[in-house]
Amino acid sequence: EVQLVESGGGLVQPGGSLRLSCAASGFTFSSNWMSWVRQAPGKGLEWVANINDDGSEIYYVDSVKGRFTISRDNAENSLYLQMNSLRAEDTAVYYCAAMVWGGPFHIWGQGTMVTVSS
Amino acid sequence: DIQMTQSPSSLSASVGDRVTITCRASQSIGNYLNWYQQKAGRAPKVLIHSASGLQSGVPSRFSGSGSGTDFTLTISSLQPEDYATYYCQQSHSTPRTFGQGTKVEIK
Repeated sequence: EVQLVESGGGLVQPGGSLRLSCAASGFTFSSNWMSWVRQAPGKGLEWVANINDDGSEIYYVDSVKGRFTISRDNAENSLYLQMNSLRAEDTAVYYCAAMVWGGPFHIWGQGTMVTVSS
Repeated sequence: DIQMTQSPSSLSASVGDRVTITCRASQSIGNYLNWYQQKAGRAPKVLIHSASGLQSGVPSRFSGSGSGTDFTLTISSLQPEDYATYYCQQSHSTPRTFGQGTKVEIK
């Protein structure tokens, strides 16, 4: 079964850090671009970051540049998002997704909730 | 950044109705346009890729059309399981951007 499973979400204070993980199975993880997409409560979808198959190309939305770091471990079939200097506006469900370059986010995880609040 | 604008933001329709949702890009994106369905509390699911390509496993009542800046998602005969929020998304350039969503509700 094709699957992405996120973990690592939770409640964190403003200025704090959190590391999200995404475990992939059922498809060739090492051949796929991977992404993080988030959704604030009651709001729409926002792309956060992309990483290519070997980790040599990385892109971020402007609002997280310098604070978030996407990485991957192909040996472990895992994707990560290190989130530092968290702000209230980072509160969202964070989805891990496999992406076709020039195409859609074609595989999605179930999401993990991140709440930034004092 | 490319802005994606969907209309309407919400609509009410009955089972069996034909439903059309439009998406406009702020600049030409060729056919780099994808459509997703999201049900409450669930992850999005891709319906249409490359403006008109039906994703494997998606019912044929869903179709997409358009190119350049104007795109359409059509549900030919609305079914009970189609009540959801629909998003368009451009895959032409980074940052990848989504429309604000169209909520399809029961009439």
